[in-house]
Amino acid sequence: SYVLTQPPSVSVAPGKTARITCGGNNIGSKSVHWYQQKPGQAPVLLIYYDSDRPSGIPERFSGSNSGNTATLTISRVEAGDEADYYCQVWDSTSDHQGVFGGGTKLTVL
Amino acid sequence: EVQLVESGGGLVQPGGSLRLSCAASGFTVSSNYMTWVRQAPGKGLEWVSVIYSGGGTYYADSVKGRFTVSRDNSKNTLYLQMNSLRAEDTAVYHCARGVKGSGTVYMDVWGKGTTVTVSS
Repeated sequence: SYVLTQPPSVSVAPGKTARITCGGNNIGSKSVHWYQQKPGQAPVLLIYYDSDRPSGIPERFSGSNSGNTATLTISRVEAGDEADYYCQVWDSTSDHQGVFGGGTKLTVL
Repeated sequence: EVQLVESGGGLVQPGGSLRLSCAASGFTVSSNYMTWVRQAPGKGLEWVSVIYSGGGTYYADSVKGRFTVSRDNSKNTLYLQMNSLRAEDTAVYHCARGVKGSGTVYMDVWGKGTTVTVSS
């Protein structure tokens, strides 16, 4: 089955830019989606189709995907961005399964 | 307002069964892909199952043969029947609406989840 690899943690100072990676074999050929989850809350869709934002998601959140790495970029990081972030793809080639990365804990210093 | 509300979680012994429900409002369950995603304590998200609008169902390898996803169109409700439960099935179970794209599915609406604890 398809595997997505994320760094367990990323730290960034307020106002700076955070980049969270999601690695997978030829992930650039897949659509990558990103979710934000704050403690005790349900996940929230942050980015879909690599770089599209749902309504209500600030422009500070952006995504890219190429080769073996997809990246979530958070510009001008705020304290309220501290959360867990998950990438996700759909593996339609083998038994139609959703696949999540292990998640990255973003800490705002 | 588009909303998903899960129920049916609880404490169950290993080998036991439980049925989770997910009541939808603001949209029609049968017209959408509907998924279950779980999160074990202190762990990440794990995709569990999907039921397509056409009725096809698919499962994670970890639950295949033990879990069954279904829906009741008249009640606009999604279900997850869980049998032969194991300690490693302990988790918060979220239902989520799936959006189908070209070769992909993503989840745009999530419920808050219901907690399942498998323990003797």
